[in-house]
Amino acid sequence: DAGITQSPRHKVTETGTPVTLRCHQTENHRYMYWYRQDPGHGLRLIHYSYGVKDTDKGEVSDGYSVSRSKTEDFLLTLESATSSQTSVYFCAISDRAGDTEAFFGQGTRLTVV
Amino acid sequence: GDSVTQMEGPVTLSEEAFLTINCTYTATGYPSLFWYVQYPGEGLQLLLKATKADDKGSNKGFEATYRKETTSFHLEKGSVQVSDSAVYFCALGGSARQLTFGSGTQLTVLP
Repeated sequence: DAGITQSPRHKVTETGTPVTLRCHQTENHRYMYWYRQDPGHGLRLIHYSYGVKDTDKGEVSDGYSVSRSKTEDFLLTLESATSSQTSVYFCAISDRAGDTEAFFGQGTRLTVV
Repeated sequence: GDSVTQMEGPVTLSEEAFLTINCTYTATGYPSLFWYVQYPGEGLQLLLKATKADDKGSNKGFEATYRKETTSFHLEKGSVQVSDSAVYFCALGGSARQLTFGSGTQLTVLP
């Protein structure tokens, strides 16, 4: 299994509070991704990174920010959580862009109350 | 932009039945195509892939053929098992630096 760890695995937070999710990899892959999974929508890309300090927006980036200060860590921050951000969040990694297999973490279930 | 349209679910089959999950795509150029599977409580894992037209990906009895003329990548299995119950995602890796996923199809196989 690819070495990719998400933390925390579960979190309940209140509306308006900041939340940071962490993705850690031991594979030295260049690309890292944050997706959210919601019923009826499949997986939607939030942000991705193509190198240290190099990030770009995905399809549903509003309300989220990311940072990648080291190859192995990719952080997703909800600056002020809203109920619409209740979801399951997945981190993924790949060594090439787009046309190769991505490896996924176990997911983080976030509930905003 | 790139997009993937996947058969709506849920799909319920009896054990040993034949499975087809339809997937069509829209993309520029020559994308790679993937099927991922998600078992309950887990992340996605690659089931099979095809990187060019007419390629057939196969794994664990599942198959899918990259059909450029119909822009399709349908997933098939001749005889499903209870252990195949999962959510299946079709995905496309195109010119962008990301995978584009379909909405997923929930498969339940009954004994």
